[in-house]
Amino acid sequence: AQSVTQLDSHVSVSEGTPVLLRCNYSSSYSPSLFWYVQHPNKGLQLLLKYTSAATLVKGINGFEAEFKKSETSFHLTKPSAHMSDAAEYFCVVRTGTDKLIFGTGTRLQVFP
Amino acid sequence: NAGVTQTPKFRVLKTGQSMTLLCAQDMNHEYMYWYRQDPGMGLRLIHYSVGEGTTAKGEVPDGYNVSRLKKQNFLLGLESAAPSQTSVYFCASNLAGGQVPYFGPGTRLTVT
Repeated sequence: AQSVTQLDSHVSVSEGTPVLLRCNYSSSYSPSLFWYVQHPNKGLQLLLKYTSAATLVKGINGFEAEFKKSETSFHLTKPSAHMSDAAEYFCVVRTGTDKLIFGTGTRLQVFP
Repeated sequence: NAGVTQTPKFRVLKTGQSMTLLCAQDMNHEYMYWYRQDPGMGLRLIHYSVGEGTTAKGEVPDGYNVSRLKKQNFLLGLESAAPSQTSVYFCASNLAGGQVPYFGPGTRLTVT
């Protein structure tokens, strides 16, 4: 069965410093993986997706993620955090029957 | 093109009352989903549909029913609301298998 684990429930960074949000997945075959962002009291917005093409995936707002099969990881990074990046981030894996399995989320705080 | 819309945005129910949440999409999507979001648990799938007239159970279906009489609408019903159903409900849809899901803005439901 597929599953996804977000290793940190909270991450705090200073504005202008790098962001790393960690995600590990479990899948019996080549997975489709996504990162979604949710700003306070808002819906979910797709940041980026991996669907077995390039292992380094670029998304919106300067975010990117690298698919590492050997480590079963799909970590989200950004070189320089901005105040507007403060939000909750979800790592998601799609199952073979098109259901999405969500991680429990990582809340990113950005300090000035 | 309104995307995925949800009605209502907010609702307060008393225990035992019933209500229906409406999800509508104007993108001609085949697949539609209902999720609930609770703190620290990410989003969990309640029910989903892979086409008009079809529905299937997700991870947490108990206490909910759904119907997909028209392709563009996916209704979520609570026959007898319980405080444990206090949550934020999200609808999502995608065109076909393997496509990226689009999420609605959410419905915040409180059951007292």
